[in-house]
Amino acid sequence: DSGVTQTPKHLITATGQRVTLRCSPRSGDLSVYWYQQSLDQGLQFLIQYYNGEERAKGNILERFSAQQFPDLHSELNLSSLELGDSALYFCASSVGTPNTGELFFGEGSRLTVL
Amino acid sequence: QQPVQSPQAVILREGEDAVINCSSSKALYSVHWYRQKHGEAPVFLMILLKGGEQKGHDKISASFNEKKQQSSLYLTASQLSYSGTYFCGTGTWGNEKLTFGTGTRLTIIP
Repeated sequence: DSGVTQTPKHLITATGQRVTLRCSPRSGDLSVYWYQQSLDQGLQFLIQYYNGEERAKGNILERFSAQQFPDLHSELNLSSLELGDSALYFCASSVGTPNTGELFFGEGSRLTVL
Repeated sequence: QQPVQSPQAVILREGEDAVINCSSSKALYSVHWYRQKHGEAPVFLMILLKGGEQKGHDKISASFNEKKQQSSLYLTASQLSYSGTYFCGTGTWGNEKLTFGTGTRLTIIP
């Protein structure tokens, strides 16, 4: 158990819908990262927050948005869903930046868009 | 641009050694190595920092060539539990994202 909690674990929805994925980082971790992993593919970086502020952005679609709240939990919002958005979405947390320590990954939220 | 890993896949017999390479086009400050079992979360193996020493624990070690922007992961006397996909992740100075490589699928057979 990494200490990072993601909900829901599984989600099935239809095209055009909107979903919210939630992540609670490890106690004491200020950084939260979101990654997308399509079937048997690599980990694509979406966005990173540190203590409530956006610090780095990857190839995140305009239909996707995220935020980190004062209690440090984070939410990833996916809207106008398309079939290609089906993937495993991982949240990870760390104390500081990747240059100072490891990332701890949650078990992921598996999104299926039908 | 994501780092490139080689080989893409490798099959070994239990007890054999493996080397996985990670190469970046950017000047790196940190290199992470993670192992992911199918359908599970990536698990941290080790981190190497610019100016730091080669790391290792048990039969898994790694090196970081800062000048070439390359890192290698060494697995010796491989065990069945080593099977999975290995990802390197790279960090650059002043940038707070970790970019993962293309992945190397390692299969250990008895």
